[in-house]
Amino acid sequence: GAGVSQSPSNKVTEKGKDVELRCDPISGHTALYWYRQSLGQGLEFLIYFQGNSAPDKSGLPSDRFSAERTGGSVSTLTIQRTQQEDSAVYLCASSDYRGQKQYFGPGTRLTVT
Amino acid sequence: ILNVEQSPQSLHVQEGDSTNFTCSFPSSNFYALHWYRWETAKSPEALFVMTLNGDEKKKGRISATLNTKEGYSYLYIKGSQPEDSATYLCAFWTGNQFYFGTGTSLTVIP
Repeated sequence: GAGVSQSPSNKVTEKGKDVELRCDPISGHTALYWYRQSLGQGLEFLIYFQGNSAPDKSGLPSDRFSAERTGGSVSTLTIQRTQQEDSAVYLCASSDYRGQKQYFGPGTRLTVT
Repeated sequence: ILNVEQSPQSLHVQEGDSTNFTCSFPSSNFYALHWYRWETAKSPEALFVMTLNGDEKKKGRISATLNTKEGYSYLYIKGSQPEDSATYLCAFWTGNQFYFGTGTSLTVIP
C-alpha cells in the first residue's frame, strides 16, 4: 500500500518568505509526527497529532512555526518569515496510534538563501 | 530536555563480524523504546518497538534487548553484511514526545 508522502521534495526559498510543507500519512494512521534534521544534527521532534486532538506545540522551535492537521489526515507545517537556520530536512511520520512504530516519509529538503 | 545517548558514534567492522551498540535513556517515566535503521538517501525504517523490561526482539540477524530499570537497550547484529551499513537510531517515547539519539553509524567492510 501507499506509504507516507511529503511534498515538495525540495524547496529553495529566500529569507523572509513563508513556506508550507505537506505530509500525507498512511491511510488509517491516527498519529502524525513532524521532525527536523539540521546539518550534522540528530532528529529533532517538532510536534505530533493524535487524531483530531489539539497538539502540544511546545516542541516547535519558534512562533514562526505552526502546524495543522485537517480532518485527521493530511498535515501542513508552515514556517513564516524563514531564516537561514531553518534550512534542514523536514521529516514526517505516521503510526497506528501515538507512540507506536513510525513510518517515515521521504522528507522535504528546505534551503533558505 | 531529556537525554538519549548512543554509543559508539561510529563503527567499522569486517563482513561476518558480530557487533553491538548501546542506547541509554532515562529510567523513569518509560513508555517505549524504538530502534530504527536509516540508510543513506532513504527514510528511517523501524526495526523494533520495545515496551517491557526484559524484552528481547529479533528480526533475522538483528536482535535487541531492553533494561528499563537501568535505562539501556542493546542492538546486536550477528554476522554483519555490507547491506547492514546504515545509521541505527534509538528513540525514547515519553507518552507525549519522541527523543531520538544521535545514532550509531555502522560501516561493514566487504
